[in-house]
Amino acid sequence: GAVVSQHPSRVICKSGTSVKIECRSLDFQATTMFWYRQFPKQSLMLMATSNEGSKATYEQGVEKDKFLINHASLTLSTLTVTSAHPEDSSFYICSAFRTGATYEQYFGPGTRLTVT
Amino acid sequence: SQQGEEDPQALSIQEGENATMNCSYKTSINNLQWYRQNSGRGLVHLILIRSNEREKHSGRLRVTLDTSKKSSSLLITASRAADTASYFCATAGNDMRFGAGTRLTVKP
Repeated sequence: GAVVSQHPSRVICKSGTSVKIECRSLDFQATTMFWYRQFPKQSLMLMATSNEGSKATYEQGVEKDKFLINHASLTLSTLTVTSAHPEDSSFYICSAFRTGATYEQYFGPGTRLTVT
Repeated sequence: SQQGEEDPQALSIQEGENATMNCSYKTSINNLQWYRQNSGRGLVHLILIRSNEREKHSGRLRVTLDTSKKSSSLLITASRAADTASYFCATAGNDMRFGAGTRLTVKP
């Protein structure tokens, strides 16, 4: 089946530093990838839509200068949390939309970010 | 904004009992998926049901979809303690929207 990976799975960083999270589709091409954020005991919140070769589309309320998204290839999207603060601590999950398959998305395992 | 809404928000049952969770949504969909999430872990895809399907089975899981009522249900039969987790429905159209989830606790 379709597999999506994320790296790292866990990261702890100090306040003010930047952290990059990678999302890869391992056995299929993904023109579109999505980034979600999940707070404890809550559902996933869509942050942005990442399209290969173009700028990401951010959901209302999500700071695009703080959460930089790059979709450099059909199998890789990255999310960079810039100047991280403790309130950015969260679980970040990506999903990849299989190119050519109607509305099929596959989720990565998530990245736990802790900002101290 | 969230699309799917699950109910109940929390469900506690004994091992061996069946668990039923419901999901309602608001807009047209292409398919609906159910996911499981153990505490602090990522999502695990359980089952996908397309808008032209009414029922689907996978092991102890049974999913129904009623597009006229914009609702779906997930039935877990003969539950086990290991089924304890949060269950989310997700609707797929131009993007994917998640509900708040149902927290299922199966007591041994």
